[in-house]
Amino acid sequence: AAGVIQSPRHLIKEKRETATLKCYPIPRHDTVYWYQQGPGQDPQFLISFYEKMQSDKGSIPDRFSAQQFSDYHSELNMSSLELGDSALYFCASSRAGVRYEQYFGPGTRLTVT
Amino acid sequence: DQQVKQNSPSLSVQEGRISILNCDYTNSMFDYFLWYKKYPAEGPTFLISISSIKDKNEDGRFTVFLNKSAKHLSLHIVPSQPGDSAVYFCTASVGAQKLVFGQGTRLTINP
Repeated sequence: AAGVIQSPRHLIKEKRETATLKCYPIPRHDTVYWYQQGPGQDPQFLISFYEKMQSDKGSIPDRFSAQQFSDYHSELNMSSLELGDSALYFCASSRAGVRYEQYFGPGTRLTVT
Repeated sequence: DQQVKQNSPSLSVQEGRISILNCDYTNSMFDYFLWYKKYPAEGPTFLISISSIKDKNEDGRFTVFLNKSAKHLSLHIVPSQPGDSAVYFCTASVGAQKLVFGQGTRLTINP
C-alpha cells in the first residue's frame, strides 16, 4: 500500500539558511499534518491543512510557513534557521471517514550547523 | 504541561508473555486515543485506536483498554514477539485534530 512520502530524508543546513521540506500524502488523503521531534523529545504538532486550507496551528515559529497544494502535497518552509531547529520533521495524512487515524511518513532529519 | 503521560520510559518482557504499556491523560476533552509503534529512523506506525465512547478495542494480538474515569489507557500485546521491540507512543486528540503525544515507552522483548 502507498505510504506518506517525505523528501528529502536528510538535510544539512547552516544557520540563517532556508530549508524546504516536502510531503506527499497517501492517495485520497485530504489532510496533512506536520510534527517536529527534537532530540530526546516526543513529537510536537506544528500545523495542519485540510483541503488546502490551514486547519490548525501549534507551536510553529513565525520563521516557518507551510502550504498545501492542489495535488494535496504540502511544503514546510523554514527560514533563518537556528541550531535549535535541528530535529526530525514528520508529516502525516488522514482522510474523511477515519479522520482521527493519521499515517506518518518516514520523516526528514534536519541538521543545522 | 504534559497532557499525555507515559510514566515508564522502558519495559522489558520475555518473548511469549504479555506486554502491558500504560498511559495517563489529563484533558477530559480527548475523544480519540491512538497507539503508534516507532522503529529508529522510521516514522510512527499506527497500531490501534479507541474512541472515548468505548472501553476496549481489539485487533489481533493488540488490545487497548480505556478507563475514562481514571483517565487511563493501556495497550496489551499478547503474545509478545521479538519484532514488537520498539518505542510505543500513546497519543490523543480532540475532534480528530492534532495528535498530542506521550513521551514514549521503549519495549524490549527478550528471547
